Amino acid sequence: EAQVTQNPRYLITVTGKKLTVTCSQNMNHEYMSWYRQDPGLGLRQIYYSMNVEVTDKGDVPEGYKVSRKEKRNFPLILESPSPNQTSLYFCASSAEPRDITGANVLTFGAGSRLTVL
Amino acid sequence: AQSVTQPDIHITVSEGASLELRCNYSYGATPYLFWYVQSPGQGLQLLLKYFSGDTLVQGIKGFEAEFKRSQSSFNLRKPSVHWSDAAEYFCAVGAGTYKYIFGTGTRLKVLA
Repeated sequence: EAQVTQNPRYLITVTGKKLTVTCSQNMNHEYMSWYRQDPGLGLRQIYYSMNVEVTDKGDVPEGYKVSRKEKRNFPLILESPSPNQTSLYFCASSAEPRDITGANVLTFGAGSRLTVL
Repeated sequence: AQSVTQPDIHITVSEGASLELRCNYSYGATPYLFWYVQSPGQGLQLLLKYFSGDTLVQGIKGFEAEFKRSQSSFNLRKPSVHWSDAAEYFCAVGAGTYKYIFGTGTRLKVLA
């Protein structure tokens, strides 16, 4: 089954304790992205990757890191989590765009709910 | 500035009633428009998309949406809502290279 898999689905942690949220897709997609969803703010893009070793900042990258060493994996790293990073996180992927103007459909993971105390 | 507005945070309808969810966008060029649905505990799933051509697009689960350039709108409709349609709905615009702008979502509640 074609899918995007995120782990963990739920995590409670404490301020400053490094954590990684993994994301893996089995569709051979070039494009992957991380979003956070907060009430009243919708989804905001954190980072995205156009292919292996190619990443760029989205709208809210502060406090996050990513890497893309393999095509299928795109982990989100919180080096020193803070309470304002408590959120619902989604990973998404997409095939190579038919053009470069955002016309591709995103496939989303089921989400990772993170609480930072 | 590029933006997507969903003016209704919550909508409640009775099962069998018709539904319209509003979406307005602000984007300088021809937009690529999407509606996604998020069921409880699930990721977002594509309902339908508009890239070009016929401004009335059909999607899954009996949903449709109409692109109105003059009103900068892309409203989602369904003639008869089912209880299983209760979810959160997001409108989004493809706004440039690898960039997607999402609205804040509309949460739909369906009364039996």
